[in-house]
Amino acid sequence: QKEVEQDPGPLSVPEGAIVSLNCTYSNSAFQYFMWYRQYSRKGPELLMYTYSSGNKEDGRFTAQVDKSSKYISLFIRDSQPSDSATYLCAMSGGSYGQNFVFGPGTRLSVLP
Amino acid sequence: KAGVTQTPRYLIKTRGQQVTLSCSPISGHRSVSWYQQTPGQGLQFLFEYFSETQRNKGNFPGRFSGRQFSNSRSEMNVSTLELGDSALYLCASSPGATESETQYFGPGTRLLVL
Repeated sequence: QKEVEQDPGPLSVPEGAIVSLNCTYSNSAFQYFMWYRQYSRKGPELLMYTYSSGNKEDGRFTAQVDKSSKYISLFIRDSQPSDSATYLCAMSGGSYGQNFVFGPGTRLSVLP
Repeated sequence: KAGVTQTPRYLIKTRGQQVTLSCSPISGHRSVSWYQQTPGQGLQFLFEYFSETQRNKGNFPGRFSGRQFSNSRSEMNVSTLELGDSALYLCASSPGATESETQYFGPGTRLLVL
């Protein structure tokens, strides 16, 4: 079993839809959870950063962490064609240093 | 504040050659991590440097090495290149003082091994 699992997609939705992206993980020591967006041929760009369980909202983006279920989600409201990208979840904690573990990414296409 | 920069952006090498990639972190950041990204394996952690010392290492062979200079700039070297080393190599920086800090990525160096 991989340490972080993520549905690779591709996921296609119409413009304006609510998008739900998810990751599951196995290491209960993870405490810090991030979502990155990566456009084609670019480096990942940090979208959301949360600590422990709970929700965090930033504009059209909401991140949820459920540590009891080892499950994190990213919701995108009113999706736009410019949201078309690969979304990577990442997590860290439980070891010294910057030891991040990334999910494989979900490719999202928002159709106009 | 300038972001993370990586040079070169694109590189073509042949099997058996060696390559050096460079990364300049965000000003003030002391931690630099390197990742290899391929379509099949996703983003895989290579190593992390903090204050010129390797602090973490992933599961890559010894052909992959790195170093960090006193100004926090970092280089990554791959010797005896193999076809499977073709990938996007990403560098990420963070302040590095605690594990709670997140990372900021550069645009990557795309390496093609022929």
